[in-house]
Amino acid sequence: GESVGLHLPTLSVQEGDNSIINCAYSNSASDYFIWYKQESGKGPQFIIDIRSNMDKRQGQRVTVLLNKTVKHLSLQIAATQPGDSAVYFCAEINFGNEKLTFGTGTRLTIIP
Amino acid sequence: SAVISQKPSRDICQRGTSLTIQCQVDSQVTMMFWYRQQPGQSLTLIATANQGSEATYESGFVIDKFPISRPNLTFSTLTVSNMSPEDSSIYLCSVAGGEEGYGYTFGSGTRLTVV
Repeated sequence: GESVGLHLPTLSVQEGDNSIINCAYSNSASDYFIWYKQESGKGPQFIIDIRSNMDKRQGQRVTVLLNKTVKHLSLQIAATQPGDSAVYFCAEINFGNEKLTFGTGTRLTIIP
Repeated sequence: SAVISQKPSRDICQRGTSLTIQCQVDSQVTMMFWYRQQPGQSLTLIATANQGSEATYESGFVIDKFPISRPNLTFSTLTVSNMSPEDSSIYLCSVAGGEEGYGYTFGSGTRLTVV
């Protein structure tokens, strides 16, 4: 079946530095991609999304890049803070079935 | 965005018993989704719950094990039946529509431990 995967399970970044979390996806028909943040004991929280017809989208301290040629998605977090420590998931949607498929997840730890 | 309340937030259950998880949304939504998140893993879709019809289950999940009710547009329940330790997971309710765009909103989850 189709899958969405992540390259690295863990990532440690010094506070104040920038972080990049990567994601590979296999379904070239995906219409929409979302990054979620999950803190301990909580459900996934929406961070930023991007449609398949875009290659970059920026939010507050976060940027998502989409490279459809190599089926790669990344989340950049600028000037990381201790509150950024969490597990980050990429997810994809195919508008045909409206199902949200999650990637493996990357645990980001911000080192004070 | 929709606000989702899930109950219970956690429970410890004996094997062979069943647990019903409730999901309440503060607005009417067409589609509600139930996910399972096994320890240290990602989220896997169990089923899609539509009001007025039977839930649609994903491969590997069956109605006898995970019966779902959807009596109206703001409420759904998921029952984990005849539990075994392998059912120990976080179970999450989700609805389409969130902060912006096409994002899905999630409840805080139910942490289930089967002993």
